[in-house]
Amino acid sequence: NAGVTQTPKFQVLKTGQSMTLQCAQDMNHEYMSWYRQDPGMGLRLIHYSVGAGITDQGEVPNGYNVSRSTTEDFPLRLLSAAPSQTSVYFCASSYQGTIYNSPLHFGNGTRLTVT
Amino acid sequence: AQTVTQSQPEMSVQEAETVTLSCTYDTSESDYYLFWYKQPPSRQMILVIRQEAYKQQNATENRFSVNFQKAAKSFSLKISDSQLGDAAMYFCAYALSGYALNFGKGTSLLVTP
Repeated sequence: NAGVTQTPKFQVLKTGQSMTLQCAQDMNHEYMSWYRQDPGMGLRLIHYSVGAGITDQGEVPNGYNVSRSTTEDFPLRLLSAAPSQTSVYFCASSYQGTIYNSPLHFGNGTRLTVT
Repeated sequence: AQTVTQSQPEMSVQEAETVTLSCTYDTSESDYYLFWYKQPPSRQMILVIRQEAYKQQNATENRFSVNFQKAAKSFSLKISDSQLGDAAMYFCAYALSGYALNFGKGTSLLVTP
């Protein structure tokens, strides 16, 4: 059982380049979300999805796009990378229902550096 | 917006001793959920313990327990009989609904032999 799989684990981009961070889960979870983690800032929500075809913005959505065409996949797109997007990115998923009864499952993160 | 505050950027504890990590939060809701997550150097996010706000009893998971003070909006984590493997970043988190968490900035725990 793979859980939540994020690829790549590491990535270096130049300012202005675009890329997609991949996230896939094999647990048939309805909810998926993206967080970024910066030193001294904890994790902050970027975008989330409550099901296929439905996405919404979190706390820090600027500079990122998402889509949810299937239940399993929730890619995060950086259209024009900026140094301020240097961070560690986490994808998470959970079943529908209270977050207490179905806690978040996290991927192992992607470390992105934008030069 | 709900905020979560962890006032201790770093804490240190000796092996086998007990340590308490502090967390306060701000909310106007009466029913919500609180969590502690552990993040070791591997970057993996590991759920340590969870608490429902309407439950008066403090949650316990083996060596980990919480002191939940709803009126004071405080949710501290106590680690008993600390082990070297407990060294990690610990995050307190608040959730109102089913899919997203508000995290504190974290407390780095060092465990010394």
